[in-house]
Amino acid sequence: QSVLTQPPSASGTPGQRVTISCSGSNSNIGRSPVNWYQQLPGTAPKVLIYSNNQRPSGVPDRFSGSKSGTSASLAISGLQSEDEADYYCAAWDDSLNAHMFGGGTKVTVL
Amino acid sequence: EVQLVESGGRVVRPGGSLRLSCAASGFSFNDYGMNWVRQVPGKGLEWVSGINWNGGRTAYVDSVKGRFTISRDNAKNSLYLQVNSLRAEDTAVYHCARSGTTEGSFYYYMDVWGKGTTVTVSS
Repeated sequence: QSVLTQPPSASGTPGQRVTISCSGSNSNIGRSPVNWYQQLPGTAPKVLIYSNNQRPSGVPDRFSGSKSGTSASLAISGLQSEDEADYYCAAWDDSLNAHMFGGGTKVTVL
Repeated sequence: EVQLVESGGRVVRPGGSLRLSCAASGFSFNDYGMNWVRQVPGKGLEWVSGINWNGGRTAYVDSVKGRFTISRDNAKNSLYLQVNSLRAEDTAVYHCARSGTTEGSFYYYMDVWGKGTTVTVSS
């Protein structure tokens, strides 16, 4: 069971907005920046959002991140077929002295 | 081109050992902290270990403490993971990943990932 909790799946039709939640605790999300990774089938993970809400260059502004207290969320607006992937939240945990990943959320475009 | 290429994975018996390597290119390796992250096929990501820019600080997930050792050779632009006393549950694809800041630590996000090398522990 992951220290960071994500729903196992989420779905939407093209153009819809999908939101993925990530719940943690005071030792991780509560005190560390949250990062989000996208893993397309058969590929290595790629950073999608870092430091709660920052997008690396090349990441479309359809992707946005937010954090409040010990929870964070990733929003995908204007869902596209190429967004079908696994999404992971992550944060440094000060108590465990380790990076923690959420269990991952599989996004399906209907 | 910024690139990380892992090697060293293979089939090994329980209790065996391996040394995984990660060759870095296209960036100033000694400016960055580095990490190893593993993934059981079909399962989620698990951070395994991290090392700061000069090797002076390391950290490990609890399940590998005392069995795995992370190290680096900045002269060779290489990251290593010595894995000992392997167990079936260590079977996974092992990715190396660069920390996303030139601050030199490994506490931040990971911005460059290798494709991974597969370790299979089986009798």
